[in-house]
Amino acid sequence: EDKVVQSPLSLVVHEGDTVTLNCSYEVTNFRSLLWYKQEKKAPTFLFMLTSSGIEKKSGRLSSILDKKELFSILNITATQTGDSAVYLCAVGMYSGGGADGLTFGKGTHLIIQP
Amino acid sequence: DTAVSQTPKYLVTQMGNDKSIKCEQNLGHDTMYWYKQDSKKFLKIMFSYNNKELIINETVPNRFSPKSPDKAHLNLHINSLELGDSAVYFCASSPPGATKNIQYFGAGTRLSVL
Repeated sequence: EDKVVQSPLSLVVHEGDTVTLNCSYEVTNFRSLLWYKQEKKAPTFLFMLTSSGIEKKSGRLSSILDKKELFSILNITATQTGDSAVYLCAVGMYSGGGADGLTFGKGTHLIIQP
Repeated sequence: DTAVSQTPKYLVTQMGNDKSIKCEQNLGHDTMYWYKQDSKKFLKIMFSYNNKELIINETVPNRFSPKSPDKAHLNLHINSLELGDSAVYFCASSPPGATKNIQYFGAGTRLSVL
């Protein structure tokens, strides 16, 4: 059975700290790994990773994928209270049908204290 | 100019009723999805449609019936609602090609079955 495991499930840090969120996966026909941020409503897309070792970066957020060890990390530097959210890791697979659903982890609930 | 829009945002109903949730996307995507997010925030794929054709139908009770009148719309009809159907239902869409795993989510419909 395909699975995506995130850790930690929750994390409380102070503003300005750096955090690392983890995501490991065991799936068949891996295609891509995605990170989403969910505040109160819709998950919003952060990164899609398909190749090992290539860091994706957007401002204070960065992510990297290791396809040999089957994991990814999401780093957030100089955290701000606006970074408080649930961060979701998801894996997309090849299904041949042209409409691949994502398999999500349970998320990491990140709280940034002022 | 919302990209993926769902209606209604909230739905409160009695057990045994039939209800529908509508979803529309104006991104020009070919593929649309329904996800269920339970009380533990776990997001799970239910259905996906590619160009109005059903592609993924996960283990979902047949009381749930998706309908896609055209590729910009994917509605979800639920018959004989049960308490366990209470959840947030998210619609999503994705483009074709190399970025097909990047899914864009609507704001969700919070369904409460009493």
